Amino acid sequence: DQQVKQNSPSLSVQEGRISILNCDYTNSMFDYFLWYKKYPAEGPTFLISISSIKDKNEDGRFTVFLNKSAKHLSLHIVPSQPGDSAVYFCAASGGGADGLTFGKGTHLIIQP
Amino acid sequence: NAGVMQNPRHLVRRRGQEARLRCSPMKGHSHVYWYRQLPEEGLKFMVYLQKENIIDESGMPKERFSAEFPKEGPSILRIQQVVRGDSAAYFCASSPSRHTGELFFGEGSRLTVL
Repeated sequence: DQQVKQNSPSLSVQEGRISILNCDYTNSMFDYFLWYKKYPAEGPTFLISISSIKDKNEDGRFTVFLNKSAKHLSLHIVPSQPGDSAVYFCAASGGGADGLTFGKGTHLIIQP
Repeated sequence: NAGVMQNPRHLVRRRGQEARLRCSPMKGHSHVYWYRQLPEEGLKFMVYLQKENIIDESGMPKERFSAEFPKEGPSILRIQQVVRGDSAAYFCASSPSRHTGELFFGEGSRLTVL
């Protein structure tokens, strides 16, 4: 039973354009959401987060939007750069569990 | 180095052998989490430990897997009698307290079972 779902295994975006990565969750008890970025053969690195009491959080080129009623969040990257090519994991905390619950990831490919 | 340190980075074992993976958390962090990533999958929670205590092992397979975080030294994830299905990347993460949300990850240990 996957509580955090990333339905797009991969996404290809042209350099300079906006990248939008989506994530859905089923557990309404999750109270904190995070995005991690992962390069091959490296560990995940924290990118940006949002509390369930907010609907938007912005950090430079990265913005995360949360729609609690739809149990949906998205990560916007604008403008997309070649170094953004990586696997992006959506994660959630709370819901009675320790640690983070991760989605399967979306492989973002930025094309020149 | 102030980050989460994992070793070995790569480990090859034959079926039936034991694998030991070590994790030193970030300085000042006393909470350690182990995750496993199978090919084409996300990271699956295995176990959460504080110093000398296992807090949550709900993600650990019931047999062959164990974890510890002694008062002194690194946290250790131990897999006995490894099978091919144990081949995966094992990531350790640490945090300064239990419910901070953000976890800091190591670079992972890649176990290959022949």
